Amino acid sequence: DGGITQSPKYLFRKEGQNVTLSCEQNLNHDAMYWYRQDPGQGLRLIYYSQIVNDFQKGDIAEGYSVSREKKESFPLTVTSAQKNPTAFYLCASSLVGADTQYFGPGTRLTVL
Amino acid sequence: ILNVEQSPQSLHVQEGDSTNFTCSFPSSNFYALHWYRWETAKSPEALFVMTLNGDEKKKGRISATLNTKEGYSYLYIKGSQPEDSATYLCAFSNSGYALNFGKGTSLLVTP
Repeated sequence: DGGITQSPKYLFRKEGQNVTLSCEQNLNHDAMYWYRQDPGQGLRLIYYSQIVNDFQKGDIAEGYSVSREKKESFPLTVTSAQKNPTAFYLCASSLVGADTQYFGPGTRLTVL
Repeated sequence: ILNVEQSPQSLHVQEGDSTNFTCSFPSSNFYALHWYRWETAKSPEALFVMTLNGDEKKKGRISATLNTKEGYSYLYIKGSQPEDSATYLCAFSNSGYALNFGKGTSLLVTP
């Protein structure tokens, strides 16, 4: 059953702690993306990766880091440098660049 | 950041009504325009990808048109049903690498 998984669904962290959000896909897609959604906002691009071992900053990359060591996995680390990390985070993948994107179920991060 | 505008922000219609939404995007350096449907508690789901000026796509009661020269796309829903209730997102690409999303139009269809 192909798709994208994100874990966990809900995540709570104390202020000042780094936290890593998981994103895995078994669709054999080359491109993967991380978005953030805040109330009243559209999806904003944090990072994207077109190929293994390569990634680019999106519009709001400050305070976040990523890695792409495997085609299937694109974890996102929310660092303590991110000023307002509480948000809903969505991961997506596509065959290539601006092709149809397939989304995971999302992770809601709350920083206390 | 590329500005993608969607209107209206929200819409409430009765079952059986037809409705339409607008997506406006920069008309220069067009690569692709996407429409997604995002139902509550689910993941966004792709509806259409359009790449050519004048493109028209249809899936059941939902259709979309594209005008790249003036920078807009319309999404139409004919005979709305309660299951059409969702947020409809459009996304624009000028690079072939990433999408810029609008804030979405939230549709509520009541019986």
